[in-house]
Amino acid sequence: GESVGLHLPTLSVQEGDNSIINCAYSNSASDYFIWYKQESGKGPQFIIDIRSNMDKRQGQRVTVLLNKTVKHLSLQIAATQPGDSAVYFCAEKNSGYALNFGKGTSLLVTP
Amino acid sequence: GAGVSQSPRYKVAKRGQDVALRCDPISGHVSLFWYQQALGQGPEFLTYFQNEAQLDKSGLPSDRFFAERPEGSVSTLKIQRTQQEDSAVYLCASSPHAGGGETQYFGPGTRLLVL
Repeated sequence: GESVGLHLPTLSVQEGDNSIINCAYSNSASDYFIWYKQESGKGPQFIIDIRSNMDKRQGQRVTVLLNKTVKHLSLQIAATQPGDSAVYFCAEKNSGYALNFGKGTSLLVTP
Repeated sequence: GAGVSQSPRYKVAKRGQDVALRCDPISGHVSLFWYQQALGQGPEFLTYFQNEAQLDKSGLPSDRFFAERPEGSVSTLKIQRTQQEDSAVYLCASSPHAGGGETQYFGPGTRLLVL
């Protein structure tokens, strides 16, 4: 079936560097995408979202890019901090009720 | 303000036992979701409520899983005759939007271990 997946299971960056987490999706009908951050022992926390009629959206220190041509989504985190260490999930929504999550990328920020 | 809360946070059950997991959504939120998250995986959809109506239960893995939201606020996910493969984190999420999806606010989850 159609699915959402991530290119890299783990990512290690130095504090202060920029991080880029990638996600591929295969459902061309998806019209809404979200990035979530999940820390150990906690539920997913909303970071940023983007609709399919946009190709870029910026938040505080985060930017999401959407390339519908190649069905690719990325999350950019500027000036990565130790508190950014977590697992990051992309999720997509089409016409159904549920969010369809990928497997996640573990981001480790080293001092 | 208060977020989504879930109880218990941890539950150990012997195989064959019944368990009940509770979710208190954000007050006034119309939509409520249950997800199952296996270790190292992303959450997987189980079921969706709009107020008290269960509009989608396509993700429930078997008829041993049952969810309810009788008054359109608190929800309970019940698992009968638990099996080892039911061990996972069960996440509840709520949203102010009808129709599901969009921004969902997640609770901390209940970690279920079936021995």
